[in-house]
Amino acid sequence: DAGVIQSPRHEVTEMGQEVTLRCKPISGHDYLFWYRQTMMRGLELLIYFNNNVPIDDSGMPEDRFSAKMPNASFSTLKIQPSEPRDSAVYFCASSFRAYPGELFFGEGSRLTVL
Amino acid sequence: AQTVTQSQPEMSVQEAETVTLSCTYDTSESDYYLFWYKQPPSRQMILVIRQEAYKQQNATENRFSVNFQKAAKSFSLKISDSQLGDAAMYFCAYRSVENYGQNFVFGPGTRLSVLP
Repeated sequence: DAGVIQSPRHEVTEMGQEVTLRCKPISGHDYLFWYRQTMMRGLELLIYFNNNVPIDDSGMPEDRFSAKMPNASFSTLKIQPSEPRDSAVYFCASSFRAYPGELFFGEGSRLTVL
Repeated sequence: AQTVTQSQPEMSVQEAETVTLSCTYDTSESDYYLFWYKQPPSRQMILVIRQEAYKQQNATENRFSVNFQKAAKSFSLKISDSQLGDAAMYFCAYRSVENYGQNFVFGPGTRLSVLP
């Protein structure tokens, strides 16, 4: 399997623009997570899905952030409008419910908002 | 809610020596998984080792081993014969297997430097 695939790897945009990050989880995994990592706040959970259904979105910073999982093989995280404080590395990760239960991470999308 | 604490923001070790990274967690559950993840400068998160709470035997993966103390809610990582490639951020993580949500909870991380 190719692992969790994220795109883009790097994104530079200007404040106010819409940003869409994409994720393809490992086939057969039933959980998908979106994390944000910054130096100041570390690794933060934004939202996670089980069988394409959002379970907990309490980590989503505000209404500017939205995430969807239209099917088992694709998820998006959208920021509209983007702000400089959204600059971070965004990770997508997927997992089985059952053993061994580990998270498999994508390589991350580094977002810079100018 | 579960919490994971890593009390050592930074650690350093001499090449070929042994280092132990600390992790404690708080939970009322009896069954769960614990993990150590490594994040090198390439930023890829890599699983180092896992432990199932129902197993009393400590997990071992080559030079990496854990000291799992369930009653104390402690899960430390020992790296033996440290190598330059071990330099990275190390995150301890907890995963519930009892709750439907099965969220992962990560600690703040420990930055490990390996000195030649």
